[in-house]
Amino acid sequence: AQSVTQPDIHITVSEGASLELRCNYSYGATPYLFWYVQSPGQGLQLLLKYFSGDTLVQGIKGFEAEFKRSQSSFNLRKPSVHWSDAAEYFCAVGLYSSASKIIFGSGTRLSIRP
Amino acid sequence: GAVVSQHPSWVICKSGTSVKIECRSLDFQATTMFWYRQFPKQSLMLMATSNEGSKATYEQGVEKDKFLINHASLTLSTLTVTSAHPEDSSFYICSAGGDGREQYFGPGTRLTVT
Repeated sequence: AQSVTQPDIHITVSEGASLELRCNYSYGATPYLFWYVQSPGQGLQLLLKYFSGDTLVQGIKGFEAEFKRSQSSFNLRKPSVHWSDAAEYFCAVGLYSSASKIIFGSGTRLSIRP
Repeated sequence: GAVVSQHPSWVICKSGTSVKIECRSLDFQATTMFWYRQFPKQSLMLMATSNEGSKATYEQGVEKDKFLINHASLTLSTLTVTSAHPEDSSFYICSAGGDGREQYFGPGTRLTVT
């Protein structure tokens, strides 16, 4: 069965430090991959997506992610976090065989230490 | 482009009453729309997939008679929570499928049942 794993429930990093949020997926083919961010009480905002091609994807707000097929991973990175990056981050897998159905990971809450 | 709206953004209703939530794709036609439910500090759980002009497909464990979904046009899907109870209080998010690879998310509706 398809699944998405975000092993880190909560991460705290210092402002200005680098960030990496982990995401692993289980799917029988190359999936569509997404990272979303959600602030408290708000909807989802798409940070970046991977469909095909270059495995290093650039997104908004200075985020990037790298698709590694051999590791079934799509980790999100940012070289220097800002206090405004504190939020919940969701990795998601799109199942192209199911008309754009998406499976979400459990999320990683990011806190920023001043 | 690809804007999805939800109405209302928040609603309070009394136990036993029904409440309707609208999801609209504002600048594109969506043959497929999705409804998610999100409990506090949890991930999004897919409730159902609705296709324009046909019956919705519900995920396992979702009560069809409690959560009525209607996708009457290519730009509008509605979710009606019937005979709402306090345990139905949650954050409901809709999304619309675009090109079969990606979903565009609405801002969410917070339902509180008293």
